Amino acid sequence: DQQVKQNSPSLSVQEGRISILNCDYTNSMFDYFLWYKKYPAEGPTFLISISSIKDKNEDGRFTVFLNKSAKHLSLHIVPSQPGDSAVYFCAASEYGGSQGNLIFGKGTKLSVKP
Amino acid sequence: DAGVIQSPRHEVTEMGQEVTLRCKPISGHNSLFWYRQTMMRGLELLIYFNNNVPIDDSGMPEDRFSAKMPNASFSTLKIQPSEPRDSAVYFCASSPGRPPPGQGAQGPIRADTQYFGPGTRLTVL
Repeated sequence: DQQVKQNSPSLSVQEGRISILNCDYTNSMFDYFLWYKKYPAEGPTFLISISSIKDKNEDGRFTVFLNKSAKHLSLHIVPSQPGDSAVYFCAASEYGGSQGNLIFGKGTKLSVKP
Repeated sequence: DAGVIQSPRHEVTEMGQEVTLRCKPISGHNSLFWYRQTMMRGLELLIYFNNNVPIDDSGMPEDRFSAKMPNASFSTLKIQPSEPRDSAVYFCASSPGRPPPGQGAQGPIRADTQYFGPGTRLTVL
């Protein structure tokens, strides 16, 4: 039973265009969502996060949108760069800020072509 | 800060041998997590510790796997005996238990944000 789903295993985008990565979740108790980026032979790197009290969080070229009614979040990268090519994982937590584990999606491989 | 440190980075062993993976969390972090990543199952949580105490080990696949955290700066994941199906990349992560300096509890980066090490690629022949 996957609580966090990334339905697109891969995405290909032209350099300079927008990349949109999607994530759906089923657990209405999730109150914190994160995106991680992973390069080959490296560990996942924390990219950006959003609390359930917000519907948007922006950090430079990266923006995360949260739609709680649809149980959906997305990561927008504008403009996309070849260095953004990586696997992106969506993760969620239901612990209200206290310590607990994250639930991860299976990832979406983004390829940004020059 | 050096980040989460894992050793070894690569391990090749033969079936039946004991394997020990090591992790040093980020200084000051009070939670530590062990994950396994495979093509089939993605990123799976094996076990996590809060303040050196194991909290949830329901992801540990079987009794051949054990994990310890003797102090706040060191943890081990042991597989004994190892089997070919244990071949995977094993990640360690830590989280601070408090928001970043200058940010409140409801700020954009929460206390349970996890930071990962580079992983150990284990191959069991």
